Amino acid sequence: GAGVSQSPSNKVTEKGKDVELRCDPISGHTALYWYRQRLGQGLEFLIYFQGNSAPDKSGLPSDRFSAERTGESVSTLTIQRTQQEDSAVYLCASSLLFSSVGTDTQYFGPGTRLTVL
Amino acid sequence: ELKVEQNPLFLSMQEGKNYTIYCNYSTTSDRLYWYRQDPGKSLESLFVLLSNGAVKQEGRLMASLDTKARLSTLHITAAVHDLSATYFCAVDILFTGNQFYFGTGTSLTVIP
Repeated sequence: GAGVSQSPSNKVTEKGKDVELRCDPISGHTALYWYRQRLGQGLEFLIYFQGNSAPDKSGLPSDRFSAERTGESVSTLTIQRTQQEDSAVYLCASSLLFSSVGTDTQYFGPGTRLTVL
Repeated sequence: ELKVEQNPLFLSMQEGKNYTIYCNYSTTSDRLYWYRQDPGKSLESLFVLLSNGAVKQEGRLMASLDTKARLSTLHITAAVHDLSATYFCAVDILFTGNQFYFGTGTSLTVIP
């Protein structure tokens, strides 16, 4: 079946511009995560959505970052007034949460590589 | 805050050799995950370990979990070049948070 998809795959923008990144999770997955991965580094948690609950925004690095999710489907991550330090790969993942088996493995999308000039 | 550390960060090994990657975490966790990331690619799930003493094997990779020691290992047997990648472990705590805490990653290079 279809996996997690993200768009665009690459985005080059100028400092100060706003960007919007999109994530389409696996159908039926109630949980959706956004991560940031800087070059050669591990994953940095940004935000988490679970169903209709209030999102966990504790990982957002500044108020320039925001994210929305429509029901249990598409999510968009918006970065306003981009800075060079925002350059990274932004990964989206989805999972079934609290499944009876307990295997809430996250399935990752291919990522969006953001370059801020 | 839960911290996850991997050791080593970089590993270069010859084909045919065995080696172990270690993943330590700082507080009680219910589940531990191993992921693989190829250069320029996204993360691929390898193993999910759900209980103390759990052992999973797939090909030349075997993962184990010791929840008392807060330690998971990823053992590589008779390494081949195709295993070259970055390996991440991650833990989460059921019902107490939404975050997966990822380790720093171990970059593995298998030399022919």
